[in-house]
Amino acid sequence: SQQGEEDPQALSIQEGENATMNCSYKTSINNLQWYRQNSGRGLVHLILIRSNEREKHSGRLRVTLDTSKKSSSLLITASRAADTASYFCATHGGGSGNTPLVFGKGTRLSVIA
Amino acid sequence: EPEVTQTPSHQVTQMGQEVILRCVPISNHLYFYWYRQILGQKVEFLVSFYNNEISEKSEIFDDQFSVERPDGSNFTLKIRSTKLEDSAMYFCASSLIQLGEKLFFGSGTQLSVL
Repeated sequence: SQQGEEDPQALSIQEGENATMNCSYKTSINNLQWYRQNSGRGLVHLILIRSNEREKHSGRLRVTLDTSKKSSSLLITASRAADTASYFCATHGGGSGNTPLVFGKGTRLSVIA
Repeated sequence: EPEVTQTPSHQVTQMGQEVILRCVPISNHLYFYWYRQILGQKVEFLVSFYNNEISEKSEIFDDQFSVERPDGSNFTLKIRSTKLEDSAMYFCASSLIQLGEKLFFGSGTQLSVL
């Protein structure tokens, strides 16, 4: 399975600190995406990084991708209480491009004010 | 900003009953999906739909499931004979271009099978 697995399962930090979440996957990918889910709500796309990219930024988000290690990390800088949510990585498998996005189990982030 | 809308937000049904979950994808999107999430667990792919036919489906999407785009705007998931283990949050999603690109998710339908 190409399924991503996030680490840690849960993370609790103080407001203002940085939060780092990791994702590992098993097979080759076309791209890797990070999504956020507030409790009981749908997933919201945060950022997409393609297999030929190593780092990408979007506001306070920084994503890295290491295809040799089949891993990615999501860094949220200067965290806020509103960042409290679950964060999922999702992988799109390599090949024909007809494979669907496969999500991991997520990291539950709690930012304490 | 355009969004994917799902109805109802909650659905309670008796085991063995049929349910239809409804979704209105973003209007110019071409690919449509159903995912589900059992409480506290991972988000699981069910099916993708393009050009009025299923393009991919998972092992979960067995004969009791079906999808339809009855008109130009709605996208439905039907579960013919619900089981207790079908209880989950069901998410509809759409994307503008091919599989594997950015997905836009609806807020979900919480299905409870009693």
